[in-house]
Amino acid sequence: AQKVTQAQTEISVVEKEDVTLDCVYETRDTTYYLFWYKQPPSGELVFLIRRNSFDEQNEISGRYSWNFQKSTSSFNFTITASQVVDSAVYFCALEGYGSSNTGKLIFGQGTTLQVKP
Amino acid sequence: GAGVSQTPSNKVTEKGKYVELRCDPISGHTALYWYRQSLGQGPEFLIYFQGTGAADDSGLPNDRFFAVRPEGSVSTLKIQRTERGDSAVYLCASSYYATGGNEQFFGPGTRLTVL
Repeated sequence: AQKVTQAQTEISVVEKEDVTLDCVYETRDTTYYLFWYKQPPSGELVFLIRRNSFDEQNEISGRYSWNFQKSTSSFNFTITASQVVDSAVYFCALEGYGSSNTGKLIFGQGTTLQVKP
Repeated sequence: GAGVSQTPSNKVTEKGKYVELRCDPISGHTALYWYRQSLGQGPEFLIYFQGTGAADDSGLPNDRFFAVRPEGSVSTLKIQRTERGDSAVYLCASSYYATGGNEQFFGPGTRLTVL
């Protein structure tokens, strides 16, 4: 079975602080994809990043960076110099490939990030 | 371009009634997905279509739930004999293909409340 765990339910930081959102996953698929989505107060899920299981290279996009470690089955997300606009619920998700898990995203429970001015 | 649209945005119904929720995917997207999100939870997979056929309906909770996509574009999620536990936000998403790893673009959702 596939599973995604986001142990942090809520995080509160002050603007300009760095914050890391944790994601741990479980899968028996040898090929899989990991995603992060942002759900702002408006409610619509916004895609942030996708990684495949063969690419463990970390990625940086502006203030966002992602650390993928297969050895610990983790795909953590760091926001540097957080801003109030980063306040949202963040979801980590997993999709298998080449199995019955293809085509469906398995989401974690989400981490609510509050950035205070 | 236009994103995924869902109608209605809100639906209030009484226990035992029948409801239909509609999803218009992004033009050209062959795959369409339905998820359900309860308060404080992540979205939960229900069903997905590749073209007109349901490729995987393993997430539908019971036979009161049914979805169609007759022409490979618009999809309707149908819920019979609604129960209070069906109250949630129903999300629709679409992608170019459903072969794995494709970005799914989500709509704003339909908030269903069963009284």
